[in-house]
Amino acid sequence: DIQVTQSPSTLSASVGDRVTITCRASQNTSNWLAWYQQKPGKAPRLLIYKASSLQSGVSSRFSGSGSGTEFTLTIKNLQPDDFATYYCQQYNTFSWTFGPGTKVEIK
Amino acid sequence: ELQLVQSGAEVKKPGESLKISCKASGYNYLSSWIGWVRQMPGKGLEWMGIIYPGDSIIKYSPSFQGQVTISADKSTSTAYLQWSDLKASDTAMYFCASHRYGAFDSWGQGTLVTVSS
Repeated sequence: DIQVTQSPSTLSASVGDRVTITCRASQNTSNWLAWYQQKPGKAPRLLIYKASSLQSGVSSRFSGSGSGTEFTLTIKNLQPDDFATYYCQQYNTFSWTFGPGTKVEIK
Repeated sequence: ELQLVQSGAEVKKPGESLKISCKASGYNYLSSWIGWVRQMPGKGLEWMGIIYPGDSIIKYSPSFQGQVTISADKSTSTAYLQWSDLKASDTAMYFCASHRYGAFDSWGQGTLVTVSS
């Protein structure tokens, strides 16, 4: 199975900051990588699919990049509503694996 | 986009059985893959399995194979997740979600399952 790691596990930032979260897969996943935002008590929300495609309705302040085994999620001009936990997720032939999550906190 | 509505919270005792549901609307349910994801208290997301209701094709994560059963009813556009012998360690929030392009694009609101004696 493909393993997925994320860094950092926690990130402290201020409103207006630009933040970057990194996701690494143990094997080449091509561009089958997605990013989600989750707030306490809520279902995850898809932000990015296929590494860099913005999900409909998601702010353009969110962007994804990368391919193969290393991917990044960038949030520009961090807003109060962006403080949440972010998960990456890889897909490979009927196997889906989520990363452990990155909590974005208010500095 | 598929809309998914899950059944309500459940409180069960160890050893009991349980079946929770995920009702779909708004898109072609039969041509959508529906997955199940577990989130234990304070923990991350774990993919459990996925079903293609049109052909009843089911794939399980090795971690959940034999522990749960996924099924679907074409006539009611509903997917199910069931247990035959609940354990305290099954206490978690369970989400269903539709799958496109390698990602889960639409999610149910979650069903909280509590297993306690």
